[in-house]
Amino acid sequence: QVQLVESGGGVVQPGRSLRLSCAASGFAVNRFALHWVRQAPGKGLKWVAFISYDGSIKYYADSVKGRFTISKDSSKNTLYLQINSLRAEDTAVYYCARGAPSGSNFFDYWGQGALVTVSS
Amino acid sequence: DVVMTQSPLSLPVTLGQPASISCKSSQSLVYSDGNTYLNWFHQRPGQSPRRLLYKVSNRDSGVPDRFSGSGSGTDFTLKISRVEAEDVGVYYCLQGTHWPLTFGGGTKVEIK
Repeated sequence: QVQLVESGGGVVQPGRSLRLSCAASGFAVNRFALHWVRQAPGKGLKWVAFISYDGSIKYYADSVKGRFTISKDSSKNTLYLQINSLRAEDTAVYYCARGAPSGSNFFDYWGQGALVTVSS
Repeated sequence: DVVMTQSPLSLPVTLGQPASISCKSSQSLVYSDGNTYLNWFHQRPGQSPRRLLYKVSNRDSGVPDRFSGSGSGTDFTLKISRVEAEDVGVYYCLQGTHWPLTFGGGTKVEIK
């Protein structure tokens, strides 16, 4: 069955970098669009980034543009989020999720989330 | 950016009674292909969100038929016909018609 499993979270100092991974099973990442969404403690959901099924199209929220990079590795069937120049406001649970808006699978599966805490 | 405004913020409900959540968008969510890309999600404390409905009114597999979605253009509604204890949590709408994607602020459903 379809599963998404995030990893790579932790406590990081401001200004440092981190890479989150989202391992997919039950489907091929090169056949589906994927997203990152984050949720600050006690807050709502915020969309962060999108990558198309073939990796040719990427979109980012303005708040992360230039610091975050979304990518995927088909050979590992894994989605990534590279986060640079971490700020306190990046503290959140980061979820990966599947699906392009035009498909019936738009956000049909989510991972369990990875907590990133930015603190000195 | 398209602003998604949910109301109410908090919704105390009695078990077995109906509940209704509104989601209004600052722009029409009708895409050029004629579809409306509006999803609803339910998130329980400590869990990932779960999709309930997609394209306004299409219920996901395993979602009880007491959940229904309606609306068009900029005005959408999630209805629970008879609230059960397992329905507590926060409900979010998400628009997928315009980039960047945007979520509503959430509606917290609790039992009176």
